[in-house]
Amino acid sequence: DAGVTQSPTHLIKTRGQQVTLRCSPISGHKSVSWYQQVLGQGPQFIFQYYEKEERGRGNFPDRFSARQFPNYSSELNVNALLLGDSALYLCASSLTRGVREQYFGPGTRLTVT
Amino acid sequence: AQSVTQPDIHITVSEGASLELRCNYSYGATPYLFWYVQSPGQGLQLLLKYFSGDTLVQGIKGFEAEFKRSQSSFNLRKPSVHWSDAAEYFCAVDPYSGGGADGLTFGKGTHLIIQP
Repeated sequence: DAGVTQSPTHLIKTRGQQVTLRCSPISGHKSVSWYQQVLGQGPQFIFQYYEKEERGRGNFPDRFSARQFPNYSSELNVNALLLGDSALYLCASSLTRGVREQYFGPGTRLTVT
Repeated sequence: AQSVTQPDIHITVSEGASLELRCNYSYGATPYLFWYVQSPGQGLQLLLKYFSGDTLVQGIKGFEAEFKRSQSSFNLRKPSVHWSDAAEYFCAVDPYSGGGADGLTFGKGTHLIIQP
């Protein structure tokens, strides 16, 4: 069975631009969460989506938004990019709402110049 | 404040030696507890988890962890490390024990170096 997949693998953007990152959860998993991991730190929670609705949000500005599609895949959007948005963005899927164990994808490395 | 602490930023262990990575949490109730491993440039792989019951849990790759309520700790152990164990290790908690939607809270990680 395929694990969590994310695209693209790497991305370079300029300050002020917008970016969209994509995630496909493990087959049968209905919940997707997004995390930001800056270099040298643990991942920080951004969003959780379940059944196409936002169920949880971390301490991130409104420049960050996401959505979940009927097939449970998800997109993370970041507007007005700042240098500090450079990070590894991780998507995690879980079977149901509520955290329990989460399974992570390989991440998208975003570099903002 | 609620937090997850991994006191050791770096640990160096000789191949074949035993390993213990420390994790402490500060939450009112016992959260769900996890250990993840991250190889360079990769995502996170779940090693093991604790929800309730037996306080010694077995995971993949020969790892185990022990939950100690009195010490608010969930330390990861391996009796004999291999060079392939070199990676970043993260302790994480679900403070709502499956009943919330605010994601996992991670420690800052411990970088494990294996000496030949």
